[in-house]
Amino acid sequence: DQQVKQNSPSLSVQEGRISILNCDYTNSMFDYFLWYKKYPAEGPTFLISISSIKDKNEDGRFTVFLNKSAKHLSLHIVPSQPGDSAVYFCAAGSRGYNFNKFYFGSGTKLNVKP
Amino acid sequence: DGGITQSPKYLFRKEGQNVTLSCEQNLNHDAMYWYRQDPGQGLRLIYYSQIVNDFQKGDIAEGYSVSREKKESFPLTVTSAQKNPTAFYLCASSIAGTIYEQYFGPGTRLTVT
Repeated sequence: DQQVKQNSPSLSVQEGRISILNCDYTNSMFDYFLWYKKYPAEGPTFLISISSIKDKNEDGRFTVFLNKSAKHLSLHIVPSQPGDSAVYFCAAGSRGYNFNKFYFGSGTKLNVKP
Repeated sequence: DGGITQSPKYLFRKEGQNVTLSCEQNLNHDAMYWYRQDPGQGLRLIYYSQIVNDFQKGDIAEGYSVSREKKESFPLTVTSAQKNPTAFYLCASSIAGTIYEQYFGPGTRLTVT
């Protein structure tokens, strides 16, 4: 049973517009969330994170929003650039666990068209 | 440059053979992990190690084995007991403890025929 879900396998956006990638989770114990970006034939690279004590975290063009009551987080990319085309994974974990375990979604493939 | 290396990038094996995937890191991280990625699925944890000479099973450890003799190295052996070994394998490392970002290697694509 997947505890972290990304229901949109793909998303296509025009360059300069906003990209919104969504992620839902089921375990209310999760209190730390991350987004990773993955290019083909490469490993995922860490993009941005958010703790459950916040509802928003911003880093340049990337902003992650967390809605704890809905168990939902989203990644906004503004403005989108062709180099942002990649697969984006969300991951969730809990400080209550005794080690650094994350549960990953299945990924959303973003295509930013020039 | 600090990072994680995995070799080889592509690996082909015949069914029934054991195969070992290499993972090395020079980030001075205590914790290391092995994940498997299948099409349409998220990364699933195979094994993890928080310290040298210690490792624990993840969610899908059956048919796999690991060793952690050195801080820098965490090789994964895919044994003939693994029923569906063809997959993309990712190694990661992090600071040990609770909740730190994990840093991933480039992955090894294993094909077993």
